[in-house]
Amino acid sequence: DTAVSQTPKYLVTQMGNDKSIKCEQNLGHDTMYWYKQDSKKFLKIMFSYNNKELIINETVPNRFSPKSPDKAHLNLHINSLELGDSAVYFCASSQGGSGEKLFFGSGTQLSVL
Amino acid sequence: KQEVTQIPAALSVPEGENLVLNCSFTDSAIYNLQWFRQDPGKGLTSLLLIQSSQREQTSGRLNASLDKSSGRSTLYIAASQPGDSATYLCAVRGTTDSWGKLQFGAGTQVVVTP
Repeated sequence: DTAVSQTPKYLVTQMGNDKSIKCEQNLGHDTMYWYKQDSKKFLKIMFSYNNKELIINETVPNRFSPKSPDKAHLNLHINSLELGDSAVYFCASSQGGSGEKLFFGSGTQLSVL
Repeated sequence: KQEVTQIPAALSVPEGENLVLNCSFTDSAIYNLQWFRQDPGKGLTSLLLIQSSQREQTSGRLNASLDKSSGRSTLYIAASQPGDSATYLCAVRGTTDSWGKLQFGAGTQVVVTP
């Protein structure tokens, strides 16, 4: 059983399109995250949700909108895609508190043409 | 602003040799530090989590040390195996940061040759 699963694994799309990435975790964790890994391999946090409540909202363009229908799901919708959005997007979850090991999904490689 | 640096960026060792991976951070006000492993096309796997009050953590062949005052952590992997080939990343959480807001280094790519 995959602990944190995200779909799709690969996403190739044209500039200006709108796309979504879905994430689900079956670990019973309270907190979920979206991280972005750029071409230089640095991972940076974008958003986090705790029990469906937005906790972290880093300096991310308004074109990116996370949605958490329940604490096991955190989706990422991106409007008007730009070339610079090409990256690998990782979903992660943790229980929170001091025991905050993060569990990551396998990533979605987004290519904007 | 916290900066996390990992040197070297890449490392190749013969099987059986011990691995030493370095991580440095500029702001010593950290809550914890994690070491992750990233395999190509896969997500990150948390290897060890060290709280700021701890000096080291061990799991099997892995040992991570933390010297908060000097802004350094070292990951030791004993008796390396080809299966240890991966990219290793360290990440810190600052004392004023929310849960899960980690600052990552760029990683050290390790190749263990048979």
